[in-house]
This record gives sequence, structure tokens and C-alpha cells, in this order.
Amino acid sequence: EPEVTQTPSHQVTQMGQEVILRCVPISNHLYFYWYRQILGQKVEFLVSFYNNEISEKSEIFDDQFSVERPDGSNFTLKIRSTKLEDSAMYFCASSPLGQNELYGYTFGSGTRLTVV
Amino acid sequence: QKEVEQDPGPLSVPEGAIVSLNCTYSNSAFQYFMWYRQYSRKGPELLMYTYSSGNKEDGRFTAQVDKSSKYISLFIRDSQPSDSATYLCAMKAAGNKLTFGGGTRVLVKP
Repeated sequence: EPEVTQTPSHQVTQMGQEVILRCVPISNHLYFYWYRQILGQKVEFLVSFYNNEISEKSEIFDDQFSVERPDGSNFTLKIRSTKLEDSAMYFCASSPLGQNELYGYTFGSGTRLTVV
Repeated sequence: QKEVEQDPGPLSVPEGAIVSLNCTYSNSAFQYFMWYRQYSRKGPELLMYTYSSGNKEDGRFTAQVDKSSKYISLFIRDSQPSDSATYLCAMKAAGNKLTFGGGTRVLVKP
């Protein structure tokens, strides 16, 4: 079964450093997403991306965050200057369609980011 | 009032029992309703989705939506120890953003 692949599974970084989290969405999917889950809290939407641009973002997704699809297969989330409160599980997801379709909305296993 | 509320549990049941989970929501714009299963330190895995009031069945799982009461439920029949996980409800209005409940931890004891 096709899956969303995320690397690394765990990343430790020092406060103020830049990190890039990587994802390989399912190959025929068109919409890509990042969510995060702080330990013990809800899964929260960060951003959605379609046709090489951001289609929707949450208030969490401020200027410290950026997303990119640098080639035909990867989708990345960059945090420019990490803060302690950025420590969380970051989930990438992809879907074949958007808006009114939920079939195939698939999550990766996540990257656990620890900022020290 | 939180947009989506879900009892965190834990909900402990004996093997073979029916597991009953529910979420309430406040945003009338939600049109699509999902249930995800999440094992420890893994990503959410889609179990069921629906966009209309009423029941939807898939194997041992039944999802119920009552839009008039803003209430959704998931029932798991003949529960197994492998069903032990955290169950997340999620909802969507227009657009692609999913809004999740906090999750209910379920323990199925052999």
C-alpha cells in the first residue's frame, strides 16, 4: 500500500538553529499538508500546499515556517530559527484531491522534533 | 468553547466488548467527519469518513453522525487487543484543513 514517508524520524536541534523536515508524499497525490502534535495535545493543522503554492495556513504557520516542493517527489517544512515550543511531532500528509474529497488523505509516521 | 471536544479516556474494555467513542463540535460549517486511529508515536490512520447524518458501517466499525446535535460517534464491535490505540475524530469544513479532537485512549484487555 502506498505510504507517505518522512525523514528523519527524530531530530534534535539547538534553539535558534534552522531545521528542515522532509516528506515524500504518495506519488499521484496533488495536495500536501503539514500538521504538528505537541506532546499530549491535539493534532494541529499548519499548512496545505497545491500547485506549488500555499493554499491555506493556520495562525501557527508564521514567518518562521516555510514549505517547498523542491523537486517532483519531496515536500519540505523549514523552521528558520527554532524555539523550545517548536518541539513536537510533525506529520506530513497528502491527498489525491482536495476540498470535498477525503479518500486517500494519508499521514506519514511523523518526525519528532526536539529543540534543546 | 472548543471547536471539537473528545473525552481523553482512557477507556478500558474487555476483549469482545463494544467500544463506544464520541465527539461533539460547535462549528456548523463542518461537513465532513472522520475517525482516525493512532498508535503510539505513529501517524493517524484513517478508519472511517462520512459527510452525511446517519450511520456508516465498515466491518467491525460503525460511524454515526448527528448534525442537528453536532455529535458524532464511532462504535467498534468485537474489540480486540490490537484495537488498543488512541482514536481521533477529525472534521472538515470547506477547504483542506482538518480539525482534530484531542483523542480518546482505548485499552482492550485480553
